[in-house]
Amino acid sequence: DTAVSQTPKYLVTQMGNDKSIKCEQNLGHDTMYWYKQDSKKFLKIMFSYNNKELIINETVPNRFSPKSPDKAHLNLHINSLELGDSAVYFCASRASERTGELFFGEGSRLTVL
Amino acid sequence: GENVEQHPSTLSVQEGDSAVIKCTYSDSASNYFPWYKQELGKRPQLIIDIRSNVGEKKDQRIAVTLNKTAKHFSLHITETQPEDSAVYFCAASLGPAAGNKLTFGGGTRVLVKP
Repeated sequence: DTAVSQTPKYLVTQMGNDKSIKCEQNLGHDTMYWYKQDSKKFLKIMFSYNNKELIINETVPNRFSPKSPDKAHLNLHINSLELGDSAVYFCASRASERTGELFFGEGSRLTVL
Repeated sequence: GENVEQHPSTLSVQEGDSAVIKCTYSDSASNYFPWYKQELGKRPQLIIDIRSNVGEKKDQRIAVTLNKTAKHFSLHITETQPEDSAVYFCAASLGPAAGNKLTFGGGTRVLVKP
């Protein structure tokens, strides 16, 4: 069973389009994250949700809007895609009662043409 | 906010030699320091971690040391093998009051030459 699953794994789209990436975890964790990994492999946190509540919102353009319908799901919607949005987006989850292992999904590679 | 610096950015070693990666962090409130390994095209996965109340931790061929006073921590891989080739990330985490935010270093690409 996949602990953290993301869909789609690959996404190729044109500039200006709107797209969504979905994430689900079956670990029973309370906290979920979105990270962006650029072409230089740098991993940067974008958002964090704890029990459906937004707790971390880094300096991310407001074209990016996360949504957490329940604590097992955290989706990412991106409006008006730009070339610079091309990256691998990783969803991750972690139990919140203490700091501990971050479980990553397989990543969603977004290519904006 | 927390800032994590990682060096070197690339590291090439001969199989059987040791590899050392060093990281520094800026926020003295950080209390948890994990290391992740990311193989090509795969997800980052935890390989070892250390908490602020411990100075050293070892797991087979990998070990991590932490110097809280100097705010730096290091990963040591001994007897390197080709399968150790990957990108390694250090990270530092603030506590629950800061949302357990995990900040990653820039990564070190390790190449183990057979």
